[in-house]
Amino acid sequence: AQSVTQPDIHITVSEGASLELRCNYSYGATPYLFWYVQSPGQGLQLLLKYFSGDTLVQGIKGFEAEFKRSQSSFNLRKPSVHWSDAAEYFCAVGGSLTGGGNKLTFGTGTQLKVEL
Amino acid sequence: DTGVSQDPRHKITKRGQNVTFRCDPISEHNRLYWYRQTLGQGPEFLTYFQNEAQLEKSRLLSDRFSAERPKGSFSTLEIQRTEQGDSAMYLCASSLKGADTNEQFFGPGTRLTVL
Repeated sequence: AQSVTQPDIHITVSEGASLELRCNYSYGATPYLFWYVQSPGQGLQLLLKYFSGDTLVQGIKGFEAEFKRSQSSFNLRKPSVHWSDAAEYFCAVGGSLTGGGNKLTFGTGTQLKVEL
Repeated sequence: DTGVSQDPRHKITKRGQNVTFRCDPISEHNRLYWYRQTLGQGPEFLTYFQNEAQLEKSRLLSDRFSAERPKGSFSTLEIQRTEQGDSAMYLCASSLKGADTNEQFFGPGTRLTVL
């Protein structure tokens, strides 16, 4: 069964500092991997995704993530954090459903706090 | 493109009552998903439609839960005889079959509180 582990429940960084959020997954085949961000009262917004090809993927808002098959990881990074990045971040792995749909299995999330 | 919408945004009910939530996906999207998110957890998959056909249901979806998508457009999720354990955020997402990214677009959710 597919699963996702986000080992850090809370992370606090100073504005302008670099950020790395960890994600490890378990999946039998080549995974579809996603990072979503959720702000209070908002739905989940897709930051970036990995399906195949280049293992370093670029997303919106200056985020990037690197797929490392040997480590079963898909860590999210940002070189310089802005106060508006404070939110909850979810890593997800996609699994196939009947008819070609894509079931997302999410981690428990990492709450990011940004200190000014 | 107005995005995925959900109604109501908040629902407070007493234990034992029935509740129904509505989801309107992005208009051209033929796949629709329901997820449930409890406090401190990530969303969990509940069920999935392709057009009007319900193709998958999670074991989390007890027989008190039923979902429909009668004309392949909007969907409803009904919970009968609600229990306090049903308190959660119910999220709807949609995607387009054939899109190579299969990206799911999420609505803002319906927060259910069962007293």
